[in-house]
Amino acid sequence: QQQVKQSPQSLIVQKGGISIINCAYENTAFDYFPWYQQFPGKGPALLIAIRPDVSEKKEGRFTISFNKSAKQFSLHIMDSQPGDSATYFCAAQGGYGNKLVFGAGTILRVKS
Amino acid sequence: GEEVAQTPKHLVRGEGQKAKLYCAPIKGHSYVFWYQQVLKNEFKFLISFQNENVFDETGMPKERFSAKCLPNSPCSLEIQATKLEDSAVYFCASSLYPSQETQYFGPGTRLLVL
Repeated sequence: QQQVKQSPQSLIVQKGGISIINCAYENTAFDYFPWYQQFPGKGPALLIAIRPDVSEKKEGRFTISFNKSAKQFSLHIMDSQPGDSATYFCAAQGGYGNKLVFGAGTILRVKS
Repeated sequence: GEEVAQTPKHLVRGEGQKAKLYCAPIKGHSYVFWYQQVLKNEFKFLISFQNENVFDETGMPKERFSAKCLPNSPCSLEIQATKLEDSAVYFCASSLYPSQETQYFGPGTRLLVL
């Protein structure tokens, strides 16, 4: 059972454009929603995270929007750069064991 | 240390052989999580520890997989009698607290079972 659904699978954006990745979850016990960035051959690195008592969080060019009633959250990357080309994973945590439940990942390519 | 360390970086085993992977969490972090990332990028949770105690083992295929976190030693994940489908990248992550807290990932161990 896929508890976190992520879309799109892949995304191509022009340099300077906005990249948007969406996630939806089912388990209402989730109470922490991080986004990870992964480059080939590397481990996932935390990009930004949000708790459900906040509807938006911004750090530099990265913004998470969170809609608790719809059980959806999204990552916006403003002014996308070629160096942002990577795979992005949304995740959710909460409930028994507090393991991270990952989305399927979005491969982002920023064209220069 | 300031980063999660994992060894070895790569591991090649013949089907049926044993594989042992190691993880040193960030100093001061009490929680260690093991995840398996398979070919299509999918992450699967395996097991977690609070210090040397198993915290959650709901993801472990218990018949062939085992794990330990002993005091003053790296944590380990061992696969007895590896199968082709065990080929994956195994990540270890550590965190200070169990919930609403960043899990910091190591660089992973790429296991190839031939």
